Amino acid sequence: ETGVTQTPRHLVMGMTNKKSLKCEQHLGHNAMYWYKQSAKKPLELMFVYSLEERVENNSVPSRFSPECPNSSHLFLHLHTLQPEDSALYLCASSQNGQGGYGYTFGSGTRLTVV
Amino acid sequence: AQTVTQSQPEMSVQEAETVTLSCTYDTSENNYYLFWYKQPPSRQMILVIRQEAYKQQNATENRFSVNFQKAAKSFSLKISDSQLGDTAMYFCAFLKNTGNQFYFGTGTSLTVIP
Repeated sequence: ETGVTQTPRHLVMGMTNKKSLKCEQHLGHNAMYWYKQSAKKPLELMFVYSLEERVENNSVPSRFSPECPNSSHLFLHLHTLQPEDSALYLCASSQNGQGGYGYTFGSGTRLTVV
Repeated sequence: AQTVTQSQPEMSVQEAETVTLSCTYDTSENNYYLFWYKQPPSRQMILVIRQEAYKQQNATENRFSVNFQKAAKSFSLKISDSQLGDTAMYFCAFLKNTGNQFYFGTGTSLTVIP
């Protein structure tokens, strides 16, 4: 049990599909994050939610749409993706203002866009 | 902007031997945190060790220790008595004292050879 659970573990979708990635944590954290991990590149921060409010959006294309309905759940809605969006999408959580203790990560969703 | 550089894409070490992974970073901040994360084939990023920049003493966690050189902006990870379970990707990461955003390096793939 990692504390941060991501589903699905693998996802294959066509460029015209709509799908959603789900992240759930029961650690009592109040900040959650989406990262994109591509081969040979640093992890890219996509979205930050703190106290359920989105505080950062690092110029992510609008085909990625996050949703944070409460402090325990985070979604990433996907539509009309491109093949270059294929990557491992990692969710993480932390206690707001205590990032110095590190994030807790999920095991990621491996996304393949065909 | 902060950057983190890991100049060793791949490394290998014999079981029970010692290996050192390199990390350098660039920042104008004075207060920050540094981390090493491990990502095994299960894909979950696991915190290995953390260092607070204001502390001169190098952090240690069992077989893992760091060599933190603040002036040189260097943060290397030493793994002693390497075990097969240490085989993984290792990421160096930087966090500003006042921020939520981690900055990651591109990772070093470590293989422990039996």
